[in-house]
Amino acid sequence: GENVEQHPSTLSVQEGDSAVIKCTYSDSASNYFPWYKQELGKRPQLIIDIRSNVGEKKDQRIAVTLNKTAKHFSLHITETQPEDSAVYFCAASTREGSNYKLTFGKGTLLTVNP
Amino acid sequence: GAVVSQHPSWVICKSGTSVKIECRSLDFQATTMFWYRQFPKQSLMLMATSNEGSKATYEQGVEKDKFLINHASLTLSTLTVTSAHPEDSSFYICSARDVKNPNYGYTFGSGTRLTVV
Repeated sequence: GENVEQHPSTLSVQEGDSAVIKCTYSDSASNYFPWYKQELGKRPQLIIDIRSNVGEKKDQRIAVTLNKTAKHFSLHITETQPEDSAVYFCAASTREGSNYKLTFGKGTLLTVNP
Repeated sequence: GAVVSQHPSWVICKSGTSVKIECRSLDFQATTMFWYRQFPKQSLMLMATSNEGSKATYEQGVEKDKFLINHASLTLSTLTVTSAHPEDSSFYICSARDVKNPNYGYTFGSGTRLTVV
């Protein structure tokens, strides 16, 4: 099955700096890679996603890059703000038989210091 | 956008009792729903995939007789934790995928905090 590795597990940055979180996946058949932001006790919120036919996607301060050959994808947050502090999860979606399955990384606790 | 409603948001039950959690897709039909468990400071672990009208597919290590999943309609899936024990205390989250609109990806419910005492 799919295995998703996520690094770093914790990341602390100063307000205004950039933050980068990296993930690798094992199953070359994975074709959809979402990133979620989760605040304590709340549901994961989709912040950006990318499909396997695209190499990069940007939405204001957030961007995601995908390298299919190397099987890794990264989240980039620029001009970080204190409200960006949360746990971020990467995930990879793979089809297994007739079902699609989402496998999560272990998460990155991002702290943005004012 | 796609909305998934999950109830209850929190529940406290006595050891040995059963608890039912509901997950509804409000504005789309979800032929497939997913149930996750998340322990404190850990990631979301897929427990099972629920397909409308058929038996759920459980992940390795998840007891299907303990975590009963029913997906009787295109908008409702339920997870029943039977004979709950304190080690079942966790955050349970459902997710649904709108297969008619793949751009929606996976939408999550608000989660249920289960505490077994």
